[in-house]
Amino acid sequence: QTVVTQEPSFSVSPGGTVTLTCGLTSGSVSTSHYPSWYQQTPGQAPRTLIYNTNIRSSGVPDRFSGSILGNKAALTITGAQADDECLYYCVLFMRRGIWVFGGGTKLTVL
Amino acid sequence: EVLLLESGGGLVQPGGSLRLSCAASGFTFSDYTMSWVRQAPGKGLEWVSAINSGTGNTFYADSVKGRFTISRDNSKNTLYLEMNSLRAEDTAVYYCAKHNSGGFEYWGQGTLVTVSS
Repeated sequence: QTVVTQEPSFSVSPGGTVTLTCGLTSGSVSTSHYPSWYQQTPGQAPRTLIYNTNIRSSGVPDRFSGSILGNKAALTITGAQADDECLYYCVLFMRRGIWVFGGGTKLTVL
Repeated sequence: EVLLLESGGGLVQPGGSLRLSCAASGFTFSDYTMSWVRQAPGKGLEWVSAINSGTGNTFYADSVKGRFTISRDNSKNTLYLEMNSLRAEDTAVYYCAKHNSGGFEYWGQGTLVTVSS
């Protein structure tokens, strides 16, 4: 069974740039997987950041961007801020209408 | 403004049943695919089920296939999740989510389902 992979944790300095990735244990991620990215703080519902690889959701600042890097989907955060410290999830569309989330990346800003 | 309001969660015994509802407003409900996504305590997000807009085709995660049924009533702008044969591992906050051209666009605030004796 194919699993969606994310870095368990990542650190970035305030003002810095970080790229989180979303891969597959078997095969490459492409735009056909419609990779999307979500931000979640404890006790809150997820917030959509990026959908369809690189389209920012309404109200999301342009320092969040999505792309395909090599064989993975990527979320890049530029000018990291303290309130970017939270969990980030990606999800991929698989065949037969199935969606699979990655395990999430805990981002620390320090 | 898009609003998704889940209800129907609660405490249920193992083997029991529960029906969740998600009342939608602020968009043309019948035009969009909808999903249920859950999050067990302290765990990550898990997609549970989706239902298409036009065809009404349904899709399920292997973990719930045969036990859960997703449906929608476009006349009431409401999404449902019928959950049967509930297990302890089904304990989670259940979110409904509106799709867009790729991925989930809007989320409800969730409803907690606890399966315990």
